[in-house]
Amino acid sequence: LAKTTQPISMDSYEGQEVNITCSHNNIATNDYITWYQQFPSQGPRFIIQGYKTKVTNEVASLFIPADRKSSTLSLPRVSLSDTAVYYCLVGDIGNAGNMLTFGGGTRLMVKP
Amino acid sequence: DVKVTQSSRYLVKRTGEKVFLECVQDMDHENMFWYRQDPGLGLRLIYFSYDVKMKEKGDIPEGYSVSREKKERFSLILESASTNQTSMYLCASSLLAGRYNEQFFGPGTRLTVL
Repeated sequence: LAKTTQPISMDSYEGQEVNITCSHNNIATNDYITWYQQFPSQGPRFIIQGYKTKVTNEVASLFIPADRKSSTLSLPRVSLSDTAVYYCLVGDIGNAGNMLTFGGGTRLMVKP
Repeated sequence: DVKVTQSSRYLVKRTGEKVFLECVQDMDHENMFWYRQDPGLGLRLIYFSYDVKMKEKGDIPEGYSVSREKKERFSLILESASTNQTSMYLCASSLLAGRYNEQFFGPGTRLTVL
């Protein structure tokens, strides 16, 4: 069971790049790493997913080192609307008994 | 757009009552999930289902059961509600069976057990 650890909170200012790191020392071979964003009173929303190296989409980048024991979500030039809770999820439901594990979430506060 | 709907946004029940939380998705997804979310604990998986009538226990299945009689509907059942089951309950679905894929979440049901 791949347990994940994230910082509880982070502060940033508009226009800055924000990097949130998730530790998952027990990640299994078949596990993917996924990040979600959650605003108050809403369900989480998918941001990005990766298996190894670097993945980039229109909103974020995900960096995964070769040993895959951690991952870093990078948000370029954040705005006030990026204030949210960010969750790291590690898992694979392809095999019975493998569980999906969310981290405790990182509360990002973007200030003007 | 994928839409995941949950039967209620807010629900208040009494200790010992049987509680049904319903979730419906409209995109023919194979997988469906139930989570609960509590302050400081993030999201914890209760049960998931990868096919009709199939279910797997998550991290915290105790006190809960589930039912998936139709592909689009996944129900969470609290047989005898207790105050420690007061929480936000989130349903999600994802497309493919047998592998992990992007999950689409519903808006959540905030359940209070008195």
